[in-house]
Amino acid sequence: EVQLVESGGDLVQPGGSLRLSCAASGFTFSDYCMSWVRQAPGKGLEWVANIKQDGGEKYYVDSVKGRFTISRDNAKNSLYLQMNSLRAEDTALYYCARDRGMGVIKKYYFDQWGQGTLVTVSS
Amino acid sequence: EIVLTQSPGTLSLSPGERATLSCRASQSVSSSYLAWYQQKPGQAPRLLIYGASSRATGIPDRFSGSGSGTDFTLTISRLEPEDFAVYYCQQYGSSPRTFGPGTKVNLK
Repeated sequence: EVQLVESGGDLVQPGGSLRLSCAASGFTFSDYCMSWVRQAPGKGLEWVANIKQDGGEKYYVDSVKGRFTISRDNAKNSLYLQMNSLRAEDTALYYCARDRGMGVIKKYYFDQWGQGTLVTVSS
Repeated sequence: EIVLTQSPGTLSLSPGERATLSCRASQSVSSSYLAWYQQKPGQAPRLLIYGASSRATGIPDRFSGSGSGTDFTLTISRLEPEDFAVYYCQQYGSSPRTFGPGTKVNLK
């Protein structure tokens, strides 16, 4: 059974930093691209960042570029999100999601999701 | 960026009824790279449909997806009590991957 378990969410002041982790199990982690997706309280879903299988390519939504860094450790089956210069608008439940590729030129949807970890940015 | 609009915002129906949810894109979604997710309160989203019309593993056949280009539809043929939830469409053909605002299907 695929499991994605996020941790690291907390209450942090504006301008602060936080590192989220996602522990993966039940599949060959190194075979998959992975993403972070967030959901502000009572709001919809927003893709934040993704990383290719070997960590060599990383992509971000414009609103977090230069502040967030996605990384992975395939030996530990773990995904990370380093969040710096946090703002109130980053307050959200952060989901770790597995990317599933489709097509000859791979395009990715999210086929497995964790339960999320809550990040609250407030003074 | 492709903007997705979902309608209606809320759908009030009874068990056994048919639900038709619409997702419209601001520009064509290449190769039908469109997915649908279901989210229940306090739970993570669950993949229902990918490639506009392919059901994900374990998804009942009362869920079906259709459409291409800019107009897509999720149909639930006969609502079961466990189907009352919020449904999101998402395009993954262009970067950034974007979601619609959701349609809430609630009990009439």
